[in-house]
Amino acid sequence: DAKTTQPNSMESNEEEPVHLPCNHSTISGTDYIHWYRQLPSQGPEYVIHGLTSNVNNRMASLAIAEDRKSSTLILHRATLRDAAVYYCILHLIIQGAQKLVFGQGTRLTINP
Amino acid sequence: SQTIHQWPATLVQPVGSPLSLECTVEGTSNPNLYWYRQAAGRGLQLLFYSVGIGQISSEVPQNLSASRPQDRQFILSSKKLLLSDSGFYLCAWSVLRSQDRVSHEQYFGPGTRLTVT
Repeated sequence: DAKTTQPNSMESNEEEPVHLPCNHSTISGTDYIHWYRQLPSQGPEYVIHGLTSNVNNRMASLAIAEDRKSSTLILHRATLRDAAVYYCILHLIIQGAQKLVFGQGTRLTINP
Repeated sequence: SQTIHQWPATLVQPVGSPLSLECTVEGTSNPNLYWYRQAAGRGLQLLFYSVGIGQISSEVPQNLSASRPQDRQFILSSKKLLLSDSGFYLCAWSVLRSQDRVSHEQYFGPGTRLTVT
């Protein structure tokens, strides 16, 4: 399974943008890049995904490097509710099922 | 709208006792279903997935088994629990989309926290 590398932790201030990096140097041409986040004692929550082009949704933006070996999740204006562990995942389809391989993720702390 | 239920929310069981965790999904049909485990301070590990009734794929060798007796019901079981089975168990579902047959969003339940003593 292709792997991702993320910083263990990051810290930011409320109402400031946050850029969460992810390296995936062994990504294959058909792997989608997914981001999920997990609040304490809850299940993960889907944030965003992309293949080659940058993507925006109501939660975040995803910037993908031209060689696809890295990507950055952008929270444009962090709030205290964005404090969570953020997982960057390469998405596999196995026998019609979606297989997510979670790493350790980045623990994001938001300071008021 | 779709919802996913898991129960119980918490469970304390002695070593050697059996286990049965249940997951049900409402508001969708023929979902793909998944069981994950999260050990304390770790990331999630995929244990089992199912693309249909009676179809179970195991990702890692372990002391657990899974069954899917109905379309929207997924059960995680063990005959004899080990201490190492303690963790946060999460059920999730996804669907294949008709246009590109790729499912991009997986939806997780609230989880069951299992402590084996």
